[in-house]
Amino acid sequence: GDSVTQMEGPVTLSEEAFLTINCTYTATGYPSLFWYVQYPGEGLQLLLKAMKADDKGSNKGFEATYRKETTSFHLEKGSVQVSDSAVYFCALNMDSSYKLIFGSGTRLLVRP
Amino acid sequence: GAGVSQSPSNKVTEKGKDVELRCDPISGHTALYWYRQSLGQGLEFLIYFQGNSAPDKSGLPSDRFSAERTGGSVSTLTIQRTQQEDSAVYLCASSPPTSKETQYFGPGTRLLVL
Repeated sequence: GDSVTQMEGPVTLSEEAFLTINCTYTATGYPSLFWYVQYPGEGLQLLLKAMKADDKGSNKGFEATYRKETTSFHLEKGSVQVSDSAVYFCALNMDSSYKLIFGSGTRLLVRP
Repeated sequence: GAGVSQSPSNKVTEKGKDVELRCDPISGHTALYWYRQSLGQGLEFLIYFQGNSAPDKSGLPSDRFSAERTGGSVSTLTIQRTQQEDSAVYLCASSPPTSKETQYFGPGTRLLVL
């Protein structure tokens, strides 16, 4: 079945460091891809999305490009801040119900 | 505008009791989803509503779990004869008809079964 695999955390970085969180997927068709973020004590928020191959989603300095050839949707940010500390979830949906299939989540901790 | 709301925010119950969890989606959102977030299983899809009907119930883990949606709005997830493994955060999400692939999540209900 369809699935999403994320790199295990926690990922610990110093402020202003470059961030990459890897995400790959397995799907029988052409899914839409998402990154959601969960800040401490808060609910899930949509961070960015990409609907088709080669699309780039971006928001709040984060970017991810939908790569069909490598079935990947890696999350990147050029300079992280302490306030980016959160759990990041990669997800896909593709059938008519649009239900989301999530990866296991990656915890990011940014130190001052 | 108002986001997705869920109640209660926390629920502690004893094993064997029934619980009801409520979700109020964003006004005008026709699709509604329930997910469960637990330590062992991560984020799992439970059920999807389009209007009042549930075309996809494939994620409900057992027949102790049921859900309904009335008036195309509020939804209730019911867990009968709760077990300790039901302890989790139950998340509700909704999406608008104009952007079906984008879901907006509520804050969740944290359920603890003792």
